[in-house]
Amino acid sequence: EDKVVQSPLSLVVHEGDTVTLNCSYEVTNFRSLLWYKQEKKAPTFLFMLTSSGIEKKSGRLSSILDKKELFSILNITATQTGDSAVYLCAAPRTGNNRKLIWGLGTSLGVNP
Amino acid sequence: DGGITQSPKYLFRKEGQNVTLSCEQNLNHDAMYWYRQDPGQGLRLIYYSQIVNDFQKGDIAEGYSVSREKKESFPLTVTSAQKNPTAFYLCASTGREADYGYTFGSGTRLTVV
Repeated sequence: EDKVVQSPLSLVVHEGDTVTLNCSYEVTNFRSLLWYKQEKKAPTFLFMLTSSGIEKKSGRLSSILDKKELFSILNITATQTGDSAVYLCAAPRTGNNRKLIWGLGTSLGVNP
Repeated sequence: DGGITQSPKYLFRKEGQNVTLSCEQNLNHDAMYWYRQDPGQGLRLIYYSQIVNDFQKGDIAEGYSVSREKKESFPLTVTSAQKNPTAFYLCASTGREADYGYTFGSGTRLTVV
C-alpha cells in the first residue's frame, strides 16, 4: 500500500533558525513528490520534485529528492514568523495518478 | 483571476440536517476533489470526479454525496448519515495529472450544533 510519512509532526524554532522537514514515501510507480504550505486555509503549492538530486529553490525554501532512499527534505533558512504553517507532502498514487496520497504534515512554529 | 471558490466559509448545521457545500472553479480543470481535514489526521479524500457526469468514491465516502453536472461545479452534500461531520472541508482541482499539483479552494468549516 502506498504511503507518505512526514517527520517531525511538529517543531518550534526561533526566528533566524534553519529547519529541515522530512518526507519519506513508498509508492510503487513513483512519479513525483509535491510539497505544500498550509497556513490557515488552502494549501498552497511549493515544489514538485521528480528527479533525484536536483534541488528546487524558491527564496529561502529549497527541496531535494533522493529516489534511492525514497525521501525528500524541505529546507527553510533564516526562518521568519511568517513561515509558521503546516507543511504537507504528497505523491500521486499507484494506478491513479490523479489521486494524491498525503502525509500528515509537519506543524512548524517560528517564535520571534 | 482563475481559481476555486468554496462557499460558505463557515457553516453551522443541526444534527439530522443535510447541508450542501459549494465548489466552483474557472480554471477549466477536468478533475475535482473533495477532502476532509481533521486535526492530526491529514487530508482524507471523500469523492473525486475526473470528468463531467462521472465521480468516484474516495477513502471516506460514507455519509456524503456529490454531483458533477457541469465542469465548473462539484458540490458536496453532507447527509445526516455522516456520523462526525464537524470538520474542515477542502475542494481542489487539477487540469492534468495530479503530479502537476492541485489548486485548492479556501475551505468550508462545518460545525454541527
